[in-house]
Amino acid sequence: KQEVTQIPAALSVPEGENLVLNCSFTDSAIYNLQWFRQDPGKGLTSLLLIQSSQREQTSGRLNASLDKSSGRSTLYIAASQPGDSATYLCAVVGNQFYFGTGTSLTVIP
Amino acid sequence: EAQVTQNPRYLITVTGKKLTVTCSQNMNHEYMSWYRQDPGLGLRQIYYSMNVEVTDKGDVPEGYKVSRKEKRNFPLILESPSPNQTSLYFCASSSGQRTNTEAFFGQGTRLTVV
Repeated sequence: KQEVTQIPAALSVPEGENLVLNCSFTDSAIYNLQWFRQDPGKGLTSLLLIQSSQREQTSGRLNASLDKSSGRSTLYIAASQPGDSATYLCAVVGNQFYFGTGTSLTVIP
Repeated sequence: EAQVTQNPRYLITVTGKKLTVTCSQNMNHEYMSWYRQDPGLGLRQIYYSMNVEVTDKGDVPEGYKVSRKEKRNFPLILESPSPNQTSLYFCASSSGQRTNTEAFFGQGTRLTVV
C-alpha cells in the first residue's frame, strides 16, 4: 500500500525566506502528484499538478519537483509571505489518491 | 464557476440517526470520491466512483454507503452514525482518476456524532 510522508510536520519562518517542503512516497507507480493548500477549517485548494512524466511545475512563487525513481517531491516557496501560512498537503495518485499528513507552515511578519 | 459543493457544512447528530451528506460538482467529472480527515491521520479515502453506477471502497469504508445515480452527485450516507465517525469530510472530483488532471475539493463537512 502506498504510504506518503511529509517532513517537516510544522515549519515556522520569517517573512521573505525561501523554503522547501518535502513529500516522499513508497510506490513509484503513480499517475501524478498534486500539492494542495488547506487553510484552517477550509477545503483543499490545488496548487500544482505534476504529471508522472514531468520533473517539475511552476506557478508564480511556487515550484514543485518530482523524482519518481526516488519517490520524492519538493515544494519550493520563494520569498514567503504571511498569507502563505497554511497546511500544505501532497497527494500521489495511483489506484487511488494517497495523502500525506501535511506540513503546517507559519510565516512570521 | 467550477466547483464542488457539499452540504451541510456543519452537522451535529446523535448516535444511530441516519444522515446523508450531499456532494455535487458542475464540471461533468467522471471521478468522485469521499475522504475523512482526522488529526494525525491525514486524509483517508472512504469511497470513490469512476462513473455513474460504478463505486468502490477506499481505505476506510466501514459504516458508510455511497451511490452514484447521476454524474454530478455523489452522496455519502451514514446509516447508523457512531461517535468514531466524528470527523471532517471532503468530497472531491476530477475528470479521471488515471488521467493527468487535477482534483477539486469541496469546502468540507464537519460532522459531530454524540
